[in-house]
Amino acid sequence: GDSVTQMEGPVTLSEEAFLTINCTYTATGYPSLFWYVQYPGEGLQLLLKATKADDKGSNKGFEATYRKETTSFHLEKGSVQVSDSAVYFCALSEGGSNYKLTFGKGTLLTVNP
Amino acid sequence: EAQVTQNPRYLITVTGKKLTVTCSQNMNHEYMSWYRQDPGLGLRQIYYSMNVEVTDKGDVPEGYKVSRKEKRNFPLILESPSPNQTSLYFCASRPGTAQPQHFGDGTRLSIL
Repeated sequence: GDSVTQMEGPVTLSEEAFLTINCTYTATGYPSLFWYVQYPGEGLQLLLKATKADDKGSNKGFEATYRKETTSFHLEKGSVQVSDSAVYFCALSEGGSNYKLTFGKGTLLTVNP
Repeated sequence: EAQVTQNPRYLITVTGKKLTVTCSQNMNHEYMSWYRQDPGLGLRQIYYSMNVEVTDKGDVPEGYKVSRKEKRNFPLILESPSPNQTSLYFCASRPGTAQPQHFGDGTRLSIL
C-alpha cells in the first residue's frame, strides 16, 4: 500500500537558518503530494501541494518539488523564523473515490531566536 | 468564514460510556472524513463519506461508527469507548476530487 516516510525529528534551528525536511513516498499510481503544518493546539493547515511530476509547490517561503524519479517531495525554506515552529506532515493522495490522505509521522520543528 | 467545527475540543470520560464527537462544515463540501493522530504514527483515516448517506471504512474503523444524514454534519460515535481510543481526532472536508482537505482544530479524547 501507499506510505510516506519523512525525516525523524525533532529539528532545532536558529532563526534565519536553512531548513530541509526530507520526505519520500511509495505509491502504486501517480499521487498528489502535500505538506501540511500543525501549529501548537491547532488543526492541520495545507502549506503547499503538487499534483504531477516536476511541479513545485510554494507558500510562505516554503518550497517542495515533486520528484518522480526519486519519489521525493522534500520541504525547504531558505530562512526560517521563530513563527515557523510547528509540526510538519508530508502526505500523499492517490485520488479515486476516497481520495484518502496518507500521512508521514510528522516532524517537529523548533526555531530559536 | 469557511471552517470545519468540531465539538467538544477536549473530553475525559470512562470506558464504556458512549460518546459522540460532532463535526460540521459550512462550505457545502460533499466529502468528509475522520482521522486520528497518535504519537509516532501520524494521522490515520477512520471513516469517510462521499455524500449524504454514503459512508465507508478507512484504515482504522474498529470501535467507531459514523453517520451522514445531512451534508454539513459528520458525527463520530464511540459506542463503547476503550482506553486505546485515547487520541487526538480530526475531522476534514473537501469540495471535490483532487482538492485539498480542510481540517478542524481537533478533539482530544482521554478514555480512562
